[in-house]
Amino acid sequence: DTAVSQTPKYLVTQMGNDKSIKCEQNLGHDTMYWYKQDSKKFLKIMFSYNNKELIINETVPNRFSPKSPDKAHLNLHINSLELGDSAVYFCASSPRQGANEQFFGPGTRLTVL
Amino acid sequence: DQQVKQNSPSLSVQEGRISILNCDYTNSMFDYFLWYKKYPAEGPTFLISISSIKDKNEDGRFTVFLNKSAKHLSLHIVPSQPGDSAVYFCAASSGYNNDMRFGAGTRLTVKP
Repeated sequence: DTAVSQTPKYLVTQMGNDKSIKCEQNLGHDTMYWYKQDSKKFLKIMFSYNNKELIINETVPNRFSPKSPDKAHLNLHINSLELGDSAVYFCASSPRQGANEQFFGPGTRLTVL
Repeated sequence: DQQVKQNSPSLSVQEGRISILNCDYTNSMFDYFLWYKKYPAEGPTFLISISSIKDKNEDGRFTVFLNKSAKHLSLHIVPSQPGDSAVYFCAASSGYNNDMRFGAGTRLTVKP
C-alpha cells in the first residue's frame, strides 16, 4: 500500500529523447510536488500543484512540463533530454496547500547518455 | 543561493551516544523547519518539525532545537541506534505556498 508511488524507478535514455515519469498518491492529498536531487545531493523544488492547478514553478527549463490529470496524479514530461537532466526526481504530496509535512515517493533515477 | 546549509556531509557516532546534526539558514522569512530521514533507494520521510514560535520540540529520542537569532537549528538523537544510520535533510519553509528549501544532507553512521 504505497502512499506515493513513482514509475519508473530507473530510466536510462539517450540525449534528445522525450520521456515521462508518473506519480500517484493514494493519501487523498490536495497538493503535489516534483523535486530534483542533483549530483550535489541538493533537493530542489521544481513544481507544485494544488487541486490540479500550478502554484509553484521554479526556474525550470520549459522542456519540463508537469501534467495533473486529477489531484491524485502529477506526471512529469521532459522533452529533448540533456545530459544535465540526469538526476533523481522525487514526487511528493501534502494534505493541502500550506501544510508543511510532505510525503515523498521513492524517487526515479534518470540517466541521460 | 543555498538558503539552507548543512555543513557536515557526514557524522559517525557510537551506538548509545548522542548524535547532533546541525543546520544553518539565511532567509529570516522561514517560519517552519523540518528534518527528514532518507534511506538508500527510498524517498525522504518526515521525522520531526518545529515552528519558528518555539525553540524546542521533542519526540521520543529526537529533539529539534531552534536558535532564531543565530539562524541555526539542530537535531539531537539520544540514544543513537544503528537503525538511525541514514541521510538526514534539514528543510525550511515560508509562506502559504510552502515553498520548502532543503539542505544537502548529513550522512549519519551509528556504529554498534
